[in-house]
Amino acid sequence: QSALTQPASVSGSPGQSITISCTGTSSDVGGYNYVSWYQQHPGKAPKLMIYEVSNRPSGVSNRFSGSKSGNTASLTISGLQAEDEADYYCSSYTSSSTLRVFGGGTKLTVL
Amino acid sequence: QVQLQESGPGLVKPSQTLSLTCTVSGGSISSGDYYWSWIRQPPGKGLEWIGYIYYSGSTYYNPSLKSRVTISVDTSKNQFSLKLSSVTAADTAVYYCAREDIAAAAVDYWGQGTLVTVSS
Repeated sequence: QSALTQPASVSGSPGQSITISCTGTSSDVGGYNYVSWYQQHPGKAPKLMIYEVSNRPSGVSNRFSGSKSGNTASLTISGLQAEDEADYYCSSYTSSSTLRVFGGGTKLTVL
Repeated sequence: QVQLQESGPGLVKPSQTLSLTCTVSGGSISSGDYYWSWIRQPPGKGLEWIGYIYYSGSTYYNPSLKSRVTISVDTSKNQFSLKLSSVTAADTAVYYCAREDIAAAAVDYWGQGTLVTVSS
């Protein structure tokens, strides 16, 4: 069982917006602004999409945005495109002994 | 452009030690701005953080693996390594080496990953 909780799957049509949630506790998501999001296509390594809750690395489309409220972080993808179909993982710093935790991953299907 | 490349055996027998090396190019492993990490992903499952090392040799391990894990660094070769002892089938996974930006606590570069299967 992952330390952070994500929905197993979400779906949307091209052009629509979707949001993926990532729920933790006050020891991780809620306590620190060190939430990051990763995109993983089948057979590929994960790619950093968002860091420090809402910052985008250079080269990542501004269709991707992040936010946080309490113990839940969210990744929103607007203007869905076929290439966005992938698995998405959240991660957070944690004050527990593990120091780093991942969510279980969410499979995004573009209909 | 920083690149990381894992190398090592793709098949390990149960009870033996898994050994992987990550070679870093395009940047120095001695930079004080990064942790050098190992992360794994069992087939069809999610990501699990194994641990990281700082260029000085300081390490931190996932407590669930701590008794079996050793991560080391060779700054002269710009490499860091993973050893996982007493492996079982549950250790079968794609193993990624990665660079974590310390200030952001985020992994900004990943290796391509290498599948290690534990089987007799």
